[in-house]
Amino acid sequence: DVKVTQSSRYLVKRTGEKVFLECVQDMDHENMFWYRQDPGLGLRLIYFSYDVKMKEKGDIPEGYSVSREKKERFSLILESASTNQTSMYLCASSPTDSFYGYTFGSGTRLTVV
Amino acid sequence: AQSVAQPEDQVNVAEGNPLTVKCTYSVSGNPYLFWYVQYPNRGLQFLLKYITGDNLVKGSYGFEAEFNKSQTSFHLKKPSALVSDSALYFCAVWSYGGATNKLIFGTGTLLAVQP
Repeated sequence: DVKVTQSSRYLVKRTGEKVFLECVQDMDHENMFWYRQDPGLGLRLIYFSYDVKMKEKGDIPEGYSVSREKKERFSLILESASTNQTSMYLCASSPTDSFYGYTFGSGTRLTVV
Repeated sequence: AQSVAQPEDQVNVAEGNPLTVKCTYSVSGNPYLFWYVQYPNRGLQFLLKYITGDNLVKGSYGFEAEFNKSQTSFHLKKPSALVSDSALYFCAVWSYGGATNKLIFGTGTLLAVQP
């Protein structure tokens, strides 16, 4: 069964910490995405990547960075965590062909205290 | 620009009754449309998609969706709702442009099925 795996389901971090959220896919997909989900705001795209070492800003990139050194792995980095980054973070991947849609990970619920 | 709208934040339905979750879209060119479901504290799961062909698309868990080009709609339906269908449902449309294509998601509709 194909998978997108997010390293943590729940995470609690302190304000000011550097936080790494990891996402790994085993489907050889070209595209990978990071979203955050907040009540009433739906899914908001933070960053995406369409190839190794390539990245593009989404709708809300401020306070975040990403890394894609290998095709299967896409990391989201919170340089200095703040309480307003408490959220559900969702990773997704897709092939270049638009017929397939996305495959999502199970999500990481991050709490910054 | 491509967009998708889900006009209802919440839909309430009694178990055993038919359900409809609404979605309208705006795209240039042929639309590729998707429905996803999210259970509490989980990621999104694929339900069904419309690419081309028959306007009635059947998907997982007994769900189906009807593509209506004249009304630019892609409503999700099920003939008989189950309590276990209670979840958050997202409609999405494929957006072309830039270096990569990506899905544009609606804001989601919470489906509550009462026993």
